[in-house]
Amino acid sequence: NAGVTQTPKFRILKIGQSMTLQCTQDMNHNYMYWYRQDPGMGLKLIYYSVGAGITDKGEVPNGYNVSRSTTEDFPLRLELAAPSQTSVYFCASSHSPGQGAEAFFGQGTRLTVV
Amino acid sequence: DAKTTQPTSMDCAEGRAANLPCNHSTISGNEYVYWYRQIHSQGPQYIIHGLKNNETNEMASLIITEDRKSSTLILPHATLRDTAVYYCIVRVNSGGSNYKLTFGKGTLLTVNP
Repeated sequence: NAGVTQTPKFRILKIGQSMTLQCTQDMNHNYMYWYRQDPGMGLKLIYYSVGAGITDKGEVPNGYNVSRSTTEDFPLRLELAAPSQTSVYFCASSHSPGQGAEAFFGQGTRLTVV
Repeated sequence: DAKTTQPTSMDCAEGRAANLPCNHSTISGNEYVYWYRQIHSQGPQYIIHGLKNNETNEMASLIITEDRKSSTLILPHATLRDTAVYYCIVRVNSGGSNYKLTFGKGTLLTVNP
């Protein structure tokens, strides 16, 4: 059982480049989340989704976009990379309320923008 | 979601119980208390959650005060592998946007040999 899978694990991006961080889960979870974690800091919610076709902003959405065309996939798009987006990005998924409380996290994507 | 307050760091001797406090004085009646931990460089891991009764599982125990304004996570016999940042989170367990999971800064627990 793979759980939540993130790709790539590491990436170096130049300023102004774009990229998509991939996240897929095989647990049929409706809820999915994207977080960023700067060194020595806690996790900040970027975007989340409560089901296919439904997304909403979290605490720090600027500079990012998401889509949720399927239950399994929740990609995060950086259009014009900036040094301030250097961070570790975590994707997570969870059941709907009442079906289980645990959120499962991927192992992270370490992104450096130079 | 109600805000939580946790100590920045704590130490514990290996084999002893680790008691991690969390203050959530503005918690509302439909908000649950969740605990997660993050071992260095890894994704966070769910530990336990509760509403108003004390809870126990294979990892830890959760003690919630009667007025629900604070809680304590107990690791009964801490090991070196329990060294991690522990996050206390409160959130509703109903649907829609209120179900999003928001993290604070957490407590760095260091288990010493």
